Amino acid sequence: DGGITQSPKYLFRKEGQNVTLSCEQNLNHDAMYWYRQDPGQGLRLIYYSQIVNDFQKGDIAEGYSVSREKKESFPLTVTSAQKNPTAFYLCASTAGGRSTDTQYFGPGTRLTVL
Amino acid sequence: AQSVTQLDSQVPVFEEAPVELRCNYSSSVSVYLFWYVQYPNQGLQLLLKYLSGSTLVKGINGFEAEFNKSQTSFHLRKPSVHISDTAEYFCAVKSGYSTLTFGKGTMLLVSP
Repeated sequence: DGGITQSPKYLFRKEGQNVTLSCEQNLNHDAMYWYRQDPGQGLRLIYYSQIVNDFQKGDIAEGYSVSREKKESFPLTVTSAQKNPTAFYLCASTAGGRSTDTQYFGPGTRLTVL
Repeated sequence: AQSVTQLDSQVPVFEEAPVELRCNYSSSVSVYLFWYVQYPNQGLQLLLKYLSGSTLVKGINGFEAEFNKSQTSFHLRKPSVHISDTAEYFCAVKSGYSTLTFGKGTMLLVSP
């Protein structure tokens, strides 16, 4: 089955540690996205990538970093510079960058920083 | 710039009753509109989308939405809800070369 996998589902880290969230897709999609979800805030875009080896900042990129070395993978690193990292993180992908393309979402990773 | 307003943060309803979840958008150009559903601790799933053509859009699980350009609205409706429809619903807008902008969500609470 084609889809997006995110691992792990739950992640706990101590304050001050960097942590990397995994996102893999086998849909052969060109574009990938990372969102952060907080209660009552909706989804906010962190970073997105429309092609391998290229990515752009979203609305809340500070304290995060990404890489896109392979088409199917788009890992997100939450750095110690992120002031409030505890949140639910969602990865998504689209076939291309067209406005009409549907975004498909992974199951999410819940990060808790202690 | 584009934005989405979901007017209700929570909508309680009894099983088998009709429901409407409201969504208004703001954009200076033509838009594409989406409704997504999220069950607890899961990702989002597309319910339906408006790209062009008929303003009444039918989606999965018996949901439908109507695009109203003059009122800049895209309200989601279902004539009879089930307990299993309890979830959070997100309206989203896209225009031009922009990325997708989501509303803050509406929690639909269906009780017996």
